[in-house]
Amino acid sequence: GAVVSQHPSWVICKSGTSVKIECRSLDFQATTMFWYRQFPKQSLMLMATSNEGSKATYEQGVEKDKFLINHASLTLSTLTVTSAHPEDSSFYICSARSSGGAGELFFGEGSRLTVL
Amino acid sequence: GEDVEQSLFLSVREGDSSVINCTYTDSSSTYLYWYKQEPGAGLQLLTYIFSNMDMKQDQRLTVLLNKKDKHLSLRIADTQTGDSAIYFCAEGSSASKIIFGSGTRLSIRP
Repeated sequence: GAVVSQHPSWVICKSGTSVKIECRSLDFQATTMFWYRQFPKQSLMLMATSNEGSKATYEQGVEKDKFLINHASLTLSTLTVTSAHPEDSSFYICSARSSGGAGELFFGEGSRLTVL
Repeated sequence: GEDVEQSLFLSVREGDSSVINCTYTDSSSTYLYWYKQEPGAGLQLLTYIFSNMDMKQDQRLTVLLNKKDKHLSLRIADTQTGDSAIYFCAEGSSASKIIFGSGTRLSIRP
C-alpha cells in the first residue's frame, strides 16, 4: 500500500509554545489529507480535512485558530498546534487518500504530543 | 448522521478464531473497511469490502457483510499473539469522508 510518513513521532513542549507536525505522502500525490486526534479511550476524532492549495475544512468544535493546517503541496500537509496547553496532549494521526480504487485511507505513524 | 458502532473489547484464546462485529447506519456507503492499530502506531488498512459483496477472504481474514442489517464482521482464524491490537471498522465511499467506529481492543490469552 501507499506510504504516509509523519514527523515527529514524539514531541514534548512547554505550555504556551507552538508545535508543528508534518505529514508526507511518500509515493503518491494526495490532494486531500485528513488529521485525526485519538483519545486515551481509543476513539478517533476527525479534526479537519486538508485540501491542497486551499483552506482546510474543520469539523464542528475544532478551533481553526488553534489547529492551523497548511497543505502547501501534493505531498505535504502540516498541523500546527498553537499556544499548546496540557489539554492538547494527545496522539495526532494524519492520513492521505488514494486516488481511485476504494478510496482507502493510508495513515501516518502518528505523533504523540505531550504539553507540560 | 452516520454512525459506526463496535464493542470495545474482545478476548480470545490463542489459536481460536476471533470475530469482531460492527454495525453502521449509512446505507449509501460504497466500501466498508477494517483497520488495525498496534500500540503507539498509526492505522494499517487490513482489508475492505465493496458494498455489493457478501464476503471477502484474504488468508486468515474473512469479512462478512450483511447489507440488509448493516452489519459487518471480521473473522481472524487461528488467532496469534501478534494479532493483539485495536481493530477499527469504517464506512465510506471514494468521494466522501470515512467514518470510523470506536475500535475493538483484541487481547489474546494463552
